[in-house]
Amino acid sequence: ELKVEQNPLFLSMQEGKNYTIYCNYSTTSDRLYWYRQDPGKSLESLFVLLSNGAVKQEGRLMASLDTKARLSTLHITAAVHDLSATYFCAVDLSGYGGSQGNLIFGKGTKLSVKP
Amino acid sequence: NAGVTQTPKFQVLKTGQSMTLQCAQDMNHEYMSWYRQDPGMGLRLIHYSVGAGITDQGEVPNGYNVSRSTTEDFPLRLLSAAPSQTSVYFCASSPRGWSQPQHFGDGTRLSIL
Repeated sequence: ELKVEQNPLFLSMQEGKNYTIYCNYSTTSDRLYWYRQDPGKSLESLFVLLSNGAVKQEGRLMASLDTKARLSTLHITAAVHDLSATYFCAVDLSGYGGSQGNLIFGKGTKLSVKP
Repeated sequence: NAGVTQTPKFQVLKTGQSMTLQCAQDMNHEYMSWYRQDPGMGLRLIHYSVGAGITDQGEVPNGYNVSRSTTEDFPLRLLSAAPSQTSVYFCASSPRGWSQPQHFGDGTRLSIL
C-alpha cells in the first residue's frame, strides 16, 4: 500500500525563523507536487518536482526531491505571517501502475507563523 | 477563464438521499479527478478519468459513481448518502503531461444528516 507521510503535521514558527517540512513516500515515483491550502479555500500549486535532485524555489519556499531516499523537503526561510497555511505533498503514480490524475496526498502540515 | 467550476458550493442532505456534484472545466484538460478532504486525512482520491468515456476508481470509491461523457464535465454521484460521506469534495483537472500540476476547484461542502 502506498503511503505518503508528512512531518510535522503541525508547526508553529516565529517570524524570521527557518524550518523544513518532510514528505516521505513508500513507492517508487519521480514526480512529486507541493500544494498550499488556506483555511476554507482550494488548493494552490506551489512546486512540481519531476526528477531526482530537482530543486525549485519561489520566494521564501524551496522544495527538493530525492527519489532514491523517497523524500521531498519544503524549506521555509525567514518565515513571515503570510506563509501561514496548510501544505500538502502529493505523489503521482503515473508510470508505476497508475494513471495521470492519480495523486496520493500526505495528510498536510498546518503551519502557523507568529510574530 | 473560469478554470474548474464546482457546484453547488454547499449542500445539506438527509441520509439515503441521492445527489450529483457537478464539475466543469474550460481548459480542455484530459485528466479529471474527484477527491474528498476530511480533517486530519489530507485528500483522498475517489474516482478519476483520463479522458471522455474512461473512468477508474481511486482509494475510496465506494458509494460514489462517476461518468465522463464530455471532456469538460465530470459529475460525481452519491447514490444513497450516508453520514460518513460528510466531507469537502474537490474536483481537479490537468492536461496531458506529468509536468503540469492539477488545477483544483473551490470545493463543495457536503453535510449528511
